[in-house]
Amino acid sequence: QLQLQESGPGLVEPSETLSLTCTVSGGSISSSSYYWGWIRQPPGKGLEWIGSIYYSGSTYYSPSLKSRVTISADTSKNQFSLKLGSVTAADTAVYYCARHPAYCGGDCYLRWFDPWGQGTLVTVSS
Amino acid sequence: DIVMTQSPDSLAVSLGERATINCKSSQSILYSSNNKNYLAWYQQKPGQPPKLLIYWASTRESGVPDRFSGSGSGTDFTLTISSLQAEDVAVYYCQQYYTTAVTFGPGTKVDIK
Repeated sequence: QLQLQESGPGLVEPSETLSLTCTVSGGSISSSSYYWGWIRQPPGKGLEWIGSIYYSGSTYYSPSLKSRVTISADTSKNQFSLKLGSVTAADTAVYYCARHPAYCGGDCYLRWFDPWGQGTLVTVSS
Repeated sequence: DIVMTQSPDSLAVSLGERATINCKSSQSILYSSNNKNYLAWYQQKPGQPPKLLIYWASTRESGVPDRFSGSGSGTDFTLTISSLQAEDVAVYYCQQYYTTAVTFGPGTKVDIK
């Protein structure tokens, strides 16, 4: 059974870089036809997609966060990671990682998210 | 970006009664070449990650009870819980994947009346 687990600091200072890692077990991130994504949820609010990566390194980012986001993958560790720069209090959220199917022809077309990790709360505060 | 809206924001339904949640996209998410609607539904219980219920607007994920059903096409979609159970108390989200920049609706909270 595929499982995902987020890890990283729970507290980040304003203007610093938020860094999280998602470790995948029970399956390989090198599987074809799947992208691996990050989604966040501010306390008491809805879901926001941040970005997604294919094991080859191909990435897609949310237009609203693109300038601050980098997602990378380490196939040897079966992990993928998120870096979000210049954080403010508005970046306080539960951060989830998840798998999503993709159809790739010339471009790739992302699908739904399943399964999800349990999520990790990151608070931006001094 | 495609903007997703949901209605109502919240609803309370008696046990065993029907719950209906609406989701609307700012543009059509029906892909004409395959006649598929690029919409998924999720259930999120307190303190848990979202759980996929339905994709392609009406295909139930394996293991999801058949009291959950999805319908609609183009820009207007519905998630129906035919007979509400206590364990269905949750927030429900729709998500479009018609564009690479996937987006979610704001959520609908379902409670017991």
